[in-house]
Amino acid sequence: GAGVSQSPSNKVTEKGKDVELRCDPISGHTALYWYRQRLGQGLEFLIYFQGNSAPDKSGLPSDRFSAERTGESVSTLTIQRTQQEDSAVYLCASSPRLAARETQYFGPGTRLLVL
Amino acid sequence: AQSVTQLDSQVPVFEEAPVELRCNYSSSVSVYLFWYVQYPNQGLQLLLKYLSGSTLVESINGFEAEFNKSQTSFHLRKPSVHISDTAEYFCAVSAAGGSYIPTFGRGTSLIVHP
Repeated sequence: GAGVSQSPSNKVTEKGKDVELRCDPISGHTALYWYRQRLGQGLEFLIYFQGNSAPDKSGLPSDRFSAERTGESVSTLTIQRTQQEDSAVYLCASSPRLAARETQYFGPGTRLLVL
Repeated sequence: AQSVTQLDSQVPVFEEAPVELRCNYSSSVSVYLFWYVQYPNQGLQLLLKYLSGSTLVESINGFEAEFNKSQTSFHLRKPSVHISDTAEYFCAVSAAGGSYIPTFGRGTSLIVHP
């Protein structure tokens, strides 16, 4: 079946602009995760969803970041007033359920460059 | 909270040579351990994982990892690598009965030379 998809694959924006990143999880997966991957660094957890609920938003770097999810489907990560330090690859993953032992299935990522 | 250390940021190796990618973790509770691989311009995909039972786990493409509780390690090994194994490898740990979110290491870039 189809895997996790993300769009756009690449985004170049000017400092101060807002960007919206989209993630389509695998159908039937209730859990969805957003990560940020800076060059040469590991994955930085941002937020997760159980269904359309996000119980813990403490991983979001600042109040410029927000995320929402429609039902158990598509999720969007919005970055307002982008800064150069927001440049990174943003990865989305989904899993059948929210559990520590579950495998996460990752999308190809959105590469964001803020000029 | 748990943490993961991947000691090597880059491992160059010749084709058909053996390789070991190191991963150490710390946690105050029982853990689940994962290795993910990221090929160029692709997302991460699961290579293998340890949940319980046998401490030696294997992947379908010849990699294996051994959970060593006393040394808090989960090193990844392959006896003979191929050019196609060139990729970024991430070790991850999650706490059994704890946070749903795994902690990822910084990754090790495996570069296989002909």
